[in-house]
Amino acid sequence: KQEVTQIPAALSVPEGENLVLNCSFTDSAIYNLQWFRQDPGKGLTSLLLIQSSQREQTSGRLNASLDKSSGRSTLYIAASQPGDSATYLCAVKAGGFKTIFGAGTRLFVKA
Amino acid sequence: DAGVIQSPRHEVTEMGQEVTLRCKPISGHDYLFWYRQTMMRGLELLIYFNNNVPIDDSGMPEDRFSAKMPNASFSTLKIQPSEPRDSAVYFCASSSTSRDPDTQYFGPGTRLTVL
Repeated sequence: KQEVTQIPAALSVPEGENLVLNCSFTDSAIYNLQWFRQDPGKGLTSLLLIQSSQREQTSGRLNASLDKSSGRSTLYIAASQPGDSATYLCAVKAGGFKTIFGAGTRLFVKA
Repeated sequence: DAGVIQSPRHEVTEMGQEVTLRCKPISGHDYLFWYRQTMMRGLELLIYFNNNVPIDDSGMPEDRFSAKMPNASFSTLKIQPSEPRDSAVYFCASSSTSRDPDTQYFGPGTRLTVL
C-alpha cells in the first residue's frame, strides 16, 4: 500500500531564506508526483508535476526533484517571501486516478 | 471560467441529520473527484466519476455515504445519517482528459461540522 510522508510537518523561516521540503513514498511504481499549495480555507493549487520519467521540474522560484528509485522528492523554494506561507502537499499517482496525498508541510515565512 | 464551485461553504448540523454537499465542475471536464480532508487522515479520495459514471468508490467510508452525478455539470455527496466523526472539509475536483489529464482543479471545499 502506497504511503506518502512529508517532513517537516511545519517550518518557520525568515524572509529571503532558501528552503527545502521533503516528501517520501513507499512504492516506487508511480505514474507521476505533484506538489500542491493549499492556503487556509481554500482548495489545492497544483504547483509542479513531475512525470515518472523526469528528474525535476522548475517554475519560477520553485524547483521540484524526483528520485523514484529511492522514493523521494524535494521541493526547493528560493528566496522565500511571506506570500509563500501556506501548506504544501505532495501527492503521488499510481495507476488510474488514485492519487495519494501526504499530510503536508505548513510553511510560515516571517517578514 | 469560474472554476469548481462547491456549496455550501460551511455546514453545521446535528448528529443523525442528512447532509448534502454540492459540486459544479469546470465546464468541459470529464472527471470529477470527491475528497475528504481531516487532521488525522489528511486528504483522502472518496469517489470519482468519468463522464458522469462512478468509476471507483472504494474510498467511500460507509454505506451512509453516497454520491451521484446526474449530469456533466452537477454532483452531490450525501451523508445519511451524519455522525460527529464525519466532520471534515470535503473537496470536489475536476479534470479534463483531453486538455490536461494530470491536473485536477480543486474547489474551495465545504467545511462540515456534525455536532
